[in-house]
Amino acid sequence: SQTIHQWPATLVQPVGSPLSLECTVEGTSNPNLYWYRQAAGRGLQLLFYSVGIGQISSEVPQNLSASRPQDRQFILSSKKLLLSDSGFYLCAWSKSITNTEAFFGQGTRLTVV
Amino acid sequence: KQEVTQIPAALSVPEGENLVLNCSFTDSAIYNLQWFRQDPGKGLTSLLLIQSSQREQTSGRLNASLDKSSGRSTLYIAASQPGDSATYLCAVYGTSYGKLTFGQGTILTVHP
Repeated sequence: SQTIHQWPATLVQPVGSPLSLECTVEGTSNPNLYWYRQAAGRGLQLLFYSVGIGQISSEVPQNLSASRPQDRQFILSSKKLLLSDSGFYLCAWSKSITNTEAFFGQGTRLTVV
Repeated sequence: KQEVTQIPAALSVPEGENLVLNCSFTDSAIYNLQWFRQDPGKGLTSLLLIQSSQREQTSGRLNASLDKSSGRSTLYIAASQPGDSATYLCAVYGTSYGKLTFGQGTILTVHP
């Protein structure tokens, strides 16, 4: 069976510090990978998605970037965090464009102080 | 641009009631619609997936319907239990690649 791992679960970072959140998927190959942010009162917003190694699409302009160095690894990064980057970050995967059921990780609560 | 609306925003019911959560979307060009459950501070758990060609899906006490032409879906929960208390999210996967658009969710509280 497939599993998705996301870490850390919680993170408190000062403004201006770098960020690296990691997500890995097990039990499948060549998944579509997604990063979402859930902010209070704003619902879930798609940040990035990837259909393969090194292929990243950005949905909204922001202070964040994403990378996919391996088939089942997806990383969310920032060089300098802003207060507005605080939120709940969720990684998700789906099998393919024709099998689009999405499965989510447990999320990372990021607080920028 | 796809917009997804969920009604009601919050619902509080006594244990044992049958209830209906509503989801509407503006663009009917979708691959599928998915219902999720989210417990406080946790990730999303997939409950039901309805393909665009399907009318409904059932899992245990849950039944989800889809009327793609009118842009509506309902999630029916039978014989609600306190353990059903959570936020329920509806999301549609549009034909514009990679687009899973979420509603704001319905916060459900089932009290004993």
